[in-house]
Amino acid sequence: DGGITQSPKYLFRKEGQNVTLSCEQNLNHDAMYWYRQDPGQGLRLIYYSQIVNDFQKGDIAEGYSVSREKKESFPLTVTSAQKNPTAFYLCASYEAGANREGSGYTFGSGTRLTVV
Amino acid sequence: AQTVTQSQPEMSVQEAETVTLSCTYDTSESDYYLFWYKQPPSRQMILVIRQEAYKQQNATENRFSVNFQKAAKSFSLKISDSQLGDAAMYFCAYRSSYNQGGKLIFGQGTELSVKP
Repeated sequence: DGGITQSPKYLFRKEGQNVTLSCEQNLNHDAMYWYRQDPGQGLRLIYYSQIVNDFQKGDIAEGYSVSREKKESFPLTVTSAQKNPTAFYLCASYEAGANREGSGYTFGSGTRLTVV
Repeated sequence: AQTVTQSQPEMSVQEAETVTLSCTYDTSESDYYLFWYKQPPSRQMILVIRQEAYKQQNATENRFSVNFQKAAKSFSLKISDSQLGDAAMYFCAYRSSYNQGGKLIFGQGTELSVKP
């Protein structure tokens, strides 16, 4: 079955450590996104990539980095510069096209990151 | 820049009754898409309904319907005959029809509880 796999489901980070969240898709979608979810703030865009080897900052990119070396993979690194990284992180992919019945988006099941 | 606002952090409805969730948005564009997503406790994002801005007719999907008021930039979701399984967080989202990365812009979310 095609879809998006995020791993791990739960992640604990010590203060000052970098951690990388994995996002893999087998849908052959060109575009991929990382969102952060906090209570009362909805989903906010961190980074997105429309094509391999290219990505753009979203609204809250500070303290995060990404890479897009393969179409299938869009890992997110939460660096020590991110002051408040405890949150739920969602990855999504998007297939552009007209006359689409759905939204064109597929979401992963998320990673819950906690700083300990 | 586009924004989406959901002014009801929490809503409650009696089983079998009808509830309406509010959403307003701000944009200078004339062509765009609007969506309602449901996020149950599993955190999986589920598309509930979508509306194309160029369509005057309000979208419906079984018990779910929208009231799309383009001039007022309002996009409310009506859930009829509410069921216990409707309890979830609901997000309103906007996507431009122009090439802005295909990104979704989300509201803050409304937590819906259903009382038996």
